[in-house]
Amino acid sequence: KAGVTQTPRYLIKTRGQQVTLSCSPISGHRSVSWYQQTPGQGLQFLFEYFSETQRNKGNFPGRFSGRQFSNSRSEMNVSTLELGDSALYLCASSSWTGEHEQYFGPGTRLTVT
Amino acid sequence: ILNVEQSPQSLHVQEGDSTNFTCSFPSSNFYALHWYRWETAKSPKALFVMTLNGDEKKKGRISATLNTKEGYSYLYIKGSQPEDSATYLCAFIPNAGKSTFGDGTTLTVKP
Repeated sequence: KAGVTQTPRYLIKTRGQQVTLSCSPISGHRSVSWYQQTPGQGLQFLFEYFSETQRNKGNFPGRFSGRQFSNSRSEMNVSTLELGDSALYLCASSSWTGEHEQYFGPGTRLTVT
Repeated sequence: ILNVEQSPQSLHVQEGDSTNFTCSFPSSNFYALHWYRWETAKSPKALFVMTLNGDEKKKGRISATLNTKEGYSYLYIKGSQPEDSATYLCAFIPNAGKSTFGDGTTLTVKP
């Protein structure tokens, strides 16, 4: 089975712009979660989608949004980028939620200048 | 905000040493506890999924235990090897809630 893929892998944006990141889960997985990792911080949960519905949301401002399509692919959007949004964004998929292990993608490294 | 703490933050051991780390999490509303291994320049990979109090899981030289009543899990590595060098993350999943990761324990094994 192909693993979780994320595009793009690297991205440079300027403050005020918006960005869309994409995640394709493992075939058959219906749950996709997004995480942010900044230097010195652990993985911070952004949101989780299951069958196109957002099940959980982390403590991030409304500038961070996401969605999931019927084929389980997910996108994450950040509007009005700030310098502090520079981070590694990871998505993870699982066949179910909670009990089942998550499979992580390689991440998208976003740099905001 | 759920508090998931891992200790120690970092650990340096010699090849052949055995070591263990701790993950502390809320003792209420428990659903699952995951352990992940994150090597530099790679993605986190699941080691164990633990759901029952008293669970003990083993994979090669690595094992983990779970105590949901007191809210802790231990990860043990027997006879550490340089290839075990990585950051080990635990994630607490409450009932109907979101995953909360600890900040990780970074293990460096010197040959």
